[in-house]
Amino acid sequence: GAGVSQSPSNKVTEKGKDVELRCDPISGHTALYWYRQSLGQGLEFLIYFQGNSAPDKSGLPSDRFSAERTGGSVSTLTIQRTQQEDSAVYLCASSLMGAGANQPQHFGDGTRLSIL
Amino acid sequence: QQQVKQSPQSLIVQKGGISIINCAYENTAFDYFPWYQQFPGKGPALLIAIRPDVSEKKEGRFTISFNKSAKQFSLHIMDSQPGDSATYFCAARNAGNMLTFGGGTRLMVKP
Repeated sequence: GAGVSQSPSNKVTEKGKDVELRCDPISGHTALYWYRQSLGQGLEFLIYFQGNSAPDKSGLPSDRFSAERTGGSVSTLTIQRTQQEDSAVYLCASSLMGAGANQPQHFGDGTRLSIL
Repeated sequence: QQQVKQSPQSLIVQKGGISIINCAYENTAFDYFPWYQQFPGKGPALLIAIRPDVSEKKEGRFTISFNKSAKQFSLHIMDSQPGDSATYFCAARNAGNMLTFGGGTRLMVKP
């Protein structure tokens, strides 16, 4: 497909387990973003990858959260030692990169993470 | 600190009516203001966007009004339809294409 693809669409795991969430951005998009959306809430920025620059990790809520982007394309968000408050929908978005230009972010449908 | 405040949290409108959602921002460095529409189980989708050098932008039934001096902008949905029932998010962009989102408005259009 031509859109942002996220997997799995749903993930249920026990408290304390580690989880990995995957994002395949739109081909050619060099910027990639992760957001967290708690039930009925807005989008909380987590991390931002732009080209080959060091990622902006300023939104990660704790050191249990990490993300990487391999080959400038696929990204994985990892949550270690999951807690119940980590339950949320994790959304990935991608965009073209261009300072001063209006480059809209295109979102995937998210991974709904439930921590038991 | 929430930099983009959105209201109302929920809105019920009759079919054919006008839906109005308001946002206010604090950071004058924001340079692009998109609105996103989100249906249940789906990711947000870009609906319409405006730059601060424009006071109004219209696309079909959707209009953004922008007041730079007041640091406020709003989305108007004319002739609202049941299919417009969704959650709407305003956002503001700073340098580097970073978006700050409002808290969202859940719109229900009654037939």
